[in-house]
Amino acid sequence: DQQVKQNSPSLSVQEGRISILNCDYTNSMFDYFLWYKKYPAEGPTFLISISSIKDKNEDGRFTVFLNKSAKHLSLHIVPSQPGDSAVYFCAASANTNAGKSTFGDGTTLTVKP
Amino acid sequence: NAGVTQTPKFRVLKTGQSMTLLCAQDMNHEYMYWYRQDPGMGLRLIHYSVGEGTTAKGEVPDGYNVSRLKKQNFLLGLESAAPSQTSVYFCASSRDGPRYGYTFGSGTRLTVV
Repeated sequence: DQQVKQNSPSLSVQEGRISILNCDYTNSMFDYFLWYKKYPAEGPTFLISISSIKDKNEDGRFTVFLNKSAKHLSLHIVPSQPGDSAVYFCAASANTNAGKSTFGDGTTLTVKP
Repeated sequence: NAGVTQTPKFRVLKTGQSMTLLCAQDMNHEYMYWYRQDPGMGLRLIHYSVGEGTTAKGEVPDGYNVSRLKKQNFLLGLESAAPSQTSVYFCASSRDGPRYGYTFGSGTRLTVV
């Protein structure tokens, strides 16, 4: 049973528009959620996180929204830039779990100039 | 500041051979992790460590062993490689669980023939 799901394998948006990447989870014990970005032939890099006590966290062009009742989070990128083209992974962790994170399968974002 | 360094970057093994993947971090992080990523899938946790001298099993530990004799190093061993272990292996470290995100290495691409 996959506990973290990213149902859209790919997303294509125009430069300057908003990119919205979605993630669903099933484990109600998760209390920390993170987004990572990955370019080909590189390791993932940490982008932004949110604690379960919040419903929004913003960092520059990136905003993560958390809806605990729906067990859903989303990453908004505004405005999108060609350099944002990458694979985005959603990850979730339970504080009591030694910091282990469970990852989704990723969404490939393509930002067209 | 190198961050997380993985050695080697590429390796081809024959079925039944053994090898050790080395992960070194220079950030004085307590937590270290080994993940594998298969095509079209997210990262799955193999083993992790919450401090020097400690190791624990993750989601997919079978066929792998680990050691953390020094805080800065986390070794992943394959005793008898199988084609199913063909994957990209990522090492990661973190200061305090997931809260500040993981720092990943650039990965080791392993092919078992």
